[in-house]
Parts: sequence; C-alpha cells; structure tokens
Amino acid sequence: AQSVAQPEDQVNVAEGNPLTVKCTYSVSGNPYLFWYVQYPNRGLQFLLKYITGDNLVKGSYGFEAEFNKSQTSFHLKKPSALVSDSALYFCAVRGGGSQGNLIFGKGTKLSVKP
Amino acid sequence: KAGVTQTPRYLIKTRGQQVTLSCSPISGHRSVSWYQQTPGQGLQFLFEYFSETQRNKGNFPGRFSGRQFSNSRSEMNVSTLELGDSALYLCASSLAPSGGGNEQFFGPGTRLTVL
Repeated sequence: AQSVAQPEDQVNVAEGNPLTVKCTYSVSGNPYLFWYVQYPNRGLQFLLKYITGDNLVKGSYGFEAEFNKSQTSFHLKKPSALVSDSALYFCAVRGGGSQGNLIFGKGTKLSVKP
Repeated sequence: KAGVTQTPRYLIKTRGQQVTLSCSPISGHRSVSWYQQTPGQGLQFLFEYFSETQRNKGNFPGRFSGRQFSNSRSEMNVSTLELGDSALYLCASSLAPSGGGNEQFFGPGTRLTVL
C-alpha cells in the first residue's frame, strides 16, 4: 500500500536560514510525488511535483524538492526562509497506474521567526 | 481563471441531521475529488468523480455520498451526522482523472461543525 511519512510535526527556522521539510514515501511502481502548502483557513496550494527526470524539482515561491530513490525521500527545501513561509506543508504520493487519489502525510508545521 | 469554489464556507449542524456541500471546479476541469481534513486523521480521500461517474472511493461509511453534474459541479452529502464528522471538507479539481502526475487544485474548503 502507498504511504507517505513526514517525520517532523513542526520545523522551526530563523528568517534567512535554509529550511528543509522532510518526507519519505512507500509506493509500488514509479512514484508521483507532490508538495502542497496550507495557510490558515485556506485550502491547499500546489507547490511542486516530481514525475520523472531531474531529481531536483523547482516549484513556486522559491521552493524546491529533491527526489532520492534509494532513500525513498522527497524533501522540500528553500535556500532562504521568509516569515511568510510559515504554514502547514503536506507531502503527497500517488502510485503508478491510471487510478490514484493522493495519499497525504500528516503535515509539518513550518514556523519561520524574524 | 477562477479557482475552485466551495459553498458554504462554514456550516453548523446537529447530530442526526444531513448536510450537502457544493463544489465548482476550475473551468474546463472534469475531475472532482473530495477530502476530509481533521486534526487527528489528517487529509483523507473520500471519493472522485469524473464525467458524472464515481471513479474511486475512499474508506468512509455509506453515509458519505456524492455526485457530479453535467457541468462538472459536484456535491457531497453526509447523512445522519455524527460528532466525528466535524472537519474541513476540501474539494479538488483537475483536468483529467486523478492519476499519474496530474496535480489537483484545491478549494478553500467547507468547515463543518456538528454539535
């Protein structure tokens, strides 16, 4: 069965420092991986996805993610955090095949302090 | 292009009642999926509709149902509400049926509170 894990409930970072939000996955076949962000009282906003190709994927708002097949990880990164990046981040996976809803991790709350 | 819209945004019901939530996808999108978000269980998939047909269903009781209309708008219904149904219900749309690398675009959600 497909699953995704976000091992950290919360990540605290100082503004201007690099940030990493971790995600590991388990899926049969080729994985399709996604990151979404949720601001308070809002729906989820798509940040980026990995389908195939380059292991480093660039997305919205300066975020990027690194796909590592051997470690089954898809960590979200940003070189310099902003206070406005503070939000809830979700990693999601969809297994290969024609059908497949998104399976979400529990979410990681990112807090960026000035 | 307008995003996914959901109505109502907030809803308060009492146990035993039923509720209908509405979702209008992005123009041109034909797939609509519903998710339930709670602090304890996180985001859980309810069902997906494409071209008025249910394609996929999550592990929820039969009290949760949905449908999709010819204009791709979707409704979900929850009957005999329970306290545990209190949640944020999110609708997501995509051009094609969910699968592969198709990303889904989410609405702001409907916050349902069951008293």
